[in-house]
Amino acid sequence: GNSVTQMEGPVTLSEEAFLTINCTYTATGYPSLFWYVQYPGEGLQLLLKATKADDKGSNKGFEATYRKETTSFHLEKGSVQVSDSAVYFCALIHYNAGNMLTFGGGTRLMVKP
Amino acid sequence: ETGVTQTPRHLVMGMTNKKSLKCEQHLGHNAMYWYKQSAKKPLELMFVYNFKEQTENNSVPSRFSPECPNSSHLFLHLHTLQPEDSALYLCASSHPNKASGGLGGELFFGEGSRLTVL
Repeated sequence: GNSVTQMEGPVTLSEEAFLTINCTYTATGYPSLFWYVQYPGEGLQLLLKATKADDKGSNKGFEATYRKETTSFHLEKGSVQVSDSAVYFCALIHYNAGNMLTFGGGTRLMVKP
Repeated sequence: ETGVTQTPRHLVMGMTNKKSLKCEQHLGHNAMYWYKQSAKKPLELMFVYNFKEQTENNSVPSRFSPECPNSSHLFLHLHTLQPEDSALYLCASSHPNKASGGLGGELFFGEGSRLTVL
């Protein structure tokens, strides 16, 4: 079946540091890939997505590139801010497998001033 | 504001109580979901409704009873819960069967109902 593996957190960074959160997936064919973010006290919201190999999703300074050869979708940001502190979830959907999102376990990011 | 509203935001109940969680979406979506988010555990899909019909029950105990009277409203009725049921319960909605691209696969989440079972 489909699965998503994320690096375990928490990840603690200083403001303006470079961020990478690793995500790898297992799925047959060509799933679509997503990053969701959950700020404290809130539900999840879509951060970015990519729907085919080599696509790059980007939003709010975050980027992730769909790498079919390494089955990865790592999240990056060049300079994090305190306001980026949140839990980040990698997810995939396979349109030939019930259209259900499969989530990774989430990675907590803490950014210190 | 995601267009998905959950009430109550916080709920404390005893093991013998009966309570309900409510979710309402104003996005015109046809699919609605209940997820359970516990500390240090992955997000767990509980139920899926598509056009008011339940299409997924992820082996959820019968003390959780969902109800979907129309495509805009979803309830989770709670009865004789256990302390380990304490968690954040998240409602989400989406357009089902959208092809990749556009809104395909995107879930819109509410802010959750934080449940504590004493």
